[in-house]
Amino acid sequence: DGGITQSPKYLFRKEGQNVTLSCEQNLNHDAMYWYRQDPGQGLRLIYYSQIVNDFQKGDIAEGYSVSREKKESFPLTVTSAQKNPTAFYLCATAKWTSGRSGTDTQYFGPGTRLTVL
Amino acid sequence: DAKTTQPPSMDCAEGRAANLPCNHSTISGNEYVYWYRQIHSQGPQYIIHGLKNNETNEMASLIITEDRKSSTLILPHATLRDTAVYYCIVRTYSGAGSYQLTFGKGTKLSVIP
Repeated sequence: DGGITQSPKYLFRKEGQNVTLSCEQNLNHDAMYWYRQDPGQGLRLIYYSQIVNDFQKGDIAEGYSVSREKKESFPLTVTSAQKNPTAFYLCATAKWTSGRSGTDTQYFGPGTRLTVL
Repeated sequence: DAKTTQPPSMDCAEGRAANLPCNHSTISGNEYVYWYRQIHSQGPQYIIHGLKNNETNEMASLIITEDRKSSTLILPHATLRDTAVYYCIVRTYSGAGSYQLTFGKGTKLSVIP
């Protein structure tokens, strides 16, 4: 964390509403990631982006959408198509290695806990 | 699926060394072992990573066996603030310069006063 901001910390929405989670970073990292965590479980990858205007689906992308218009920002929209949206959502960032052969260590934000009522 | 196996829980007395084991018998030659920890309701915190040599930083030491099939994270003097879930992860290459972290359920370390 430190240079990764996720807001708000807690978010409540009614069933059937789309909701957008914010992730902002000032680390000048190229890559950004979204994970979902359910109680007692590890993290699962939703989407990731290695450069502006490009992103890739992770393991559980259905019912989610993202955009990457700026290097600093990678918002995640949880759509009404997501069957079980209540979860803890985590954003992470990573820089490219000096030789640009791949991305380096991922660092995580503080997370947003979404509850759909 | 996670490529690692960890015990679900461990206890450690405050002030003693905490040794957290991890098995990764299917690790490939160029895959790194990463350790993160997560305190309840917070984002995971990076601890350390290594390829085949032992590594040490201000937080912990990482001991990787010569065959690379297992590793141990060592917290030299555990404090109550070290109580957390510790994740051992084999970082895998997913193409186009991107690496993926696959989280398992980790080890819940409880530091006892």
